[in-house]
Amino acid sequence: DTEVTQTPKHLVMGMTNKKSLKCEQHMGHRAMYWYKQKAKKPPELMFVYSYEKLSINESVPSRFSPECPNSSLLNLHLHALQPEDSALYLCASSQARLAGETQYFGPGTRLLVL
Amino acid sequence: AQSVTQLDSQVPVFEEAPVELRCNYSSSVSVYLFWYVQYPNQGLQLLLKYLSGSTLVKGINGFEAEFNKSQTSFHLRKPSVHISDTAEYFCAAGRDSNYQLIWGAGTKLIIKP
Repeated sequence: DTEVTQTPKHLVMGMTNKKSLKCEQHMGHRAMYWYKQKAKKPPELMFVYSYEKLSINESVPSRFSPECPNSSLLNLHLHALQPEDSALYLCASSQARLAGETQYFGPGTRLLVL
Repeated sequence: AQSVTQLDSQVPVFEEAPVELRCNYSSSVSVYLFWYVQYPNQGLQLLLKYLSGSTLVKGINGFEAEFNKSQTSFHLRKPSVHISDTAEYFCAAGRDSNYQLIWGAGTKLIIKP
């Protein structure tokens, strides 16, 4: 099973809402990632978890809050977002946090902030 | 700083014709290279990757790429494209000293019937 699942597929939220994105993998991978992708652009790394510990935060605004409850799950909590945060949010996982590892991507959550 | 350049933002090609998508990287040290594909409204999927060894790498869906160290290139090729190859293709690079991937801007492959 090489699947990464993400829920919800689509999300519309107002600027005062609180919502969460969920990601799950059952490949035994120990590294998990959150990316943000704007239309016609490559993905931008937001967060990386390695062995359930946050190992990098790419200066992401605090209105985005990641959580890794266990080795299979990754959440992204959203609060007080801005319209410019509208994007495709991709989750990925890899065997380990190493340069040559393949990252397996989920289908993404398409977020619209009104 | 390491960078990845995809020279074409769009490549239109007729169905069943060959295609080459170009990727150049800048790095003075050993590098790992990847091609990912993103079909419309989907996540990214690995097509192939180069870690070491043979410079010709074969991937899924009939794609292959050649690592050329002297030209710092990793161009993606397919001898005959199909309408289902319509997608965005991203080249990416990584190094041992920095596990983060550096992404190219992407090339949109447009298949003309």
